Parts: sequence; structure tokens; C-alpha cells
Amino acid sequence: KAGVTQTPRYLIKTRGQQVTLSCSPISGHRSVSWYQQTPGQGLQFLFEYFSETQRNKGNFPGRFSGRQFSNSRSEMNVSTLELGDSALYLCASSLGTALNEKLFFGSGTQLSVL
Amino acid sequence: DAKTTQPTSMDCAEGRAANLPCNHSTISGNEYVYWYRQIHSQGPQYIIHGLKNNETNEMASLIITEDRKSSTLILPHATLRDTAVYYCIVRVAMGYQGAQKLVFGQGTRLTINP
Repeated sequence: KAGVTQTPRYLIKTRGQQVTLSCSPISGHRSVSWYQQTPGQGLQFLFEYFSETQRNKGNFPGRFSGRQFSNSRSEMNVSTLELGDSALYLCASSLGTALNEKLFFGSGTQLSVL
Repeated sequence: DAKTTQPTSMDCAEGRAANLPCNHSTISGNEYVYWYRQIHSQGPQYIIHGLKNNETNEMASLIITEDRKSSTLILPHATLRDTAVYYCIVRVAMGYQGAQKLVFGQGTRLTINP
């Protein structure tokens, strides 16, 4: 079974631009969540989606948004990029949202904002 | 949110057992403890999780204290490939519509020495 696939793997943008990152969950998984990882703040929760509905959002500005499609694939968008948005963005999927279900992470998208 | 506290770094000799401690004194009764590890710039890899009983799988063992305020991850025969950052995480229920998230600490950088 294929794992969580994130595209692109690397991305370079300039300040003020916007970016869209994609995540394809493991087949059959309906829950997708996103995390941001930076050297200073570590891993921080961005959002969680289940059945095309955003269930939860972390403490990030409105420039960060996301969505989930009917096939469970998810995208996240960051508008008006800032230097501080440079980070590894990780997507994780699970079958559902029960607290005892394992989350499987993708390899991430490394975003650099210049 | 339940928070976890881990040593910043640890060393272990190859072939010996690596014991990684974690404190999670504010964990709630229905929240699970998860352990993941991350090798440089890759996505976190699931290791094991538990609620209140000790758990064992092919990778590791998880010992949770009776009061659930702390736990220990045990890698029984550490190899050089086990060198990574290990995260002890609490999976937090948000209390509505099944929403949940992982709350990461800063992790322990484990170095396995030959």
C-alpha cells in the first residue's frame, strides 16, 4: 500500500507570493492533518480534515487555509508569503479520528521563502 | 493542551537498550501517548502508542506509569539506524465533532554510538 504522498518535495517562493501544497493520503484513510515544522517552533498543528470538513484549526493566521476533496486528497494554501513561513510542511493521514488510530506522515514539502 | 517534557539529548551504545523517558503530567484520562521518530528532514515515523497498559511491538516497548504522568520508550537492541529525534506526543481530543490533534514537544535527540 502506498504511503502518504506530498508534492512538491521542495519549493522556493518569494515574499508576497502564494503557494499550494498537495497531500494524497493512504488509500482508505479519510482523515488528513497538516503540521508545520520550523527549527524555532518545532512541530505545530495547522489543521485537520475529515470527510471534506475542517474539524480543527491550529493557531495560525488566516493566510493559511486548506481543503479536502471527496477522494480525501487535501491541499493547503498559504497566501502573501512571509519569510517566517519557510518550513517543512507535513501531512498525516489516518483511517478516522479516533484517538487510538495511528497517524502516518508523508515526507513533507520543504518551503523556502526568499 | 497536555504537554510533554523530554531530555534534549541522550546517547546509547550500539546493541544496548535505549530507554527514553517522557513526562506528561497534565494528560487527560482518554488521551493516548504516542511515540514517533524523525530522521533528518523526513516525515515522523510511527513507533508505538498506548493509553494505560504497557505495549510492545516489533520496534519497541512502551511503559506507562500507573498514574499515567510519565512513560518510557524502550528500544531493546539499539542500532546505528536508530539515531534520530524521538518525539513523545499526546493525542488531544478537542471535544467536538471528533476533532483531535497531536501536541509535539521538542523531542529527544538520540545518538547511537558504535
